[in-house]
Amino acid sequence: QQPVQSPQAVILREGEDAVINCSSSKALYSVHWYRQKHGEAPIFLMILLKGGEQKGHDKISASFNEKKQQSSLYLTASQLSYSGTYFCGTEIKGRSNTGKLIFGQGTTLQVKP
Amino acid sequence: NAGVMQNPRHLVRRRGQEARLRCSPMKGHSHVYWYRQLPEEGLKFMVYLQKENIIDESGMPKERFSAEFPKEGPSILRIQQVVRGDSAAYFCASSPRRGDGEKLFFGSGTQLSVL
Repeated sequence: QQPVQSPQAVILREGEDAVINCSSSKALYSVHWYRQKHGEAPIFLMILLKGGEQKGHDKISASFNEKKQQSSLYLTASQLSYSGTYFCGTEIKGRSNTGKLIFGQGTTLQVKP
Repeated sequence: NAGVMQNPRHLVRRRGQEARLRCSPMKGHSHVYWYRQLPEEGLKFMVYLQKENIIDESGMPKERFSAEFPKEGPSILRIQQVVRGDSAAYFCASSPRRGDGEKLFFGSGTQLSVL
């Protein structure tokens, strides 16, 4: 039931781009993306609710392919502050959605100067 | 507007003792979720509560773990007779409404260490 994220880890130079994928074996109601720095709370990035939805702010955007049960997070022109572990949280379609998120195992992103 | 407050930030217990973790949701939020995170792993859902009600406890171990969210006061995650395997970071998150695409606001977590 846990979504699978890929890659597990990425190392970038400042200014480079990265894509993080999240794939579920279950039909999804929504996909949430969070970033967590070591020892800190996960910070919300964005929610995608509808298949085909794409969202973004600054240089971070995401897409949701409901049919394929997948979401991707795009980081362009990466900055040092982007370093951290990125988690996708999936809300599985059910008779009653409680808002419970099932998180992937995380993708560690390290941006070097 | 204070965020989700968790305390203590760090908790050290010896095997067999009890651990009580507290979570005060954001003002106006009546929905609380507890997650556990082991080192280098993702967040694992434990329990979802509304005021005075447990809605979904499918992620809670069957023994020693309990959670409550009383009408007044913070939500409490209680672990009785702790064992070394309980060592982890415990995060709570709150939202103003029942799920369905609602954003979760996370607290800074309680790091539980069992000696």
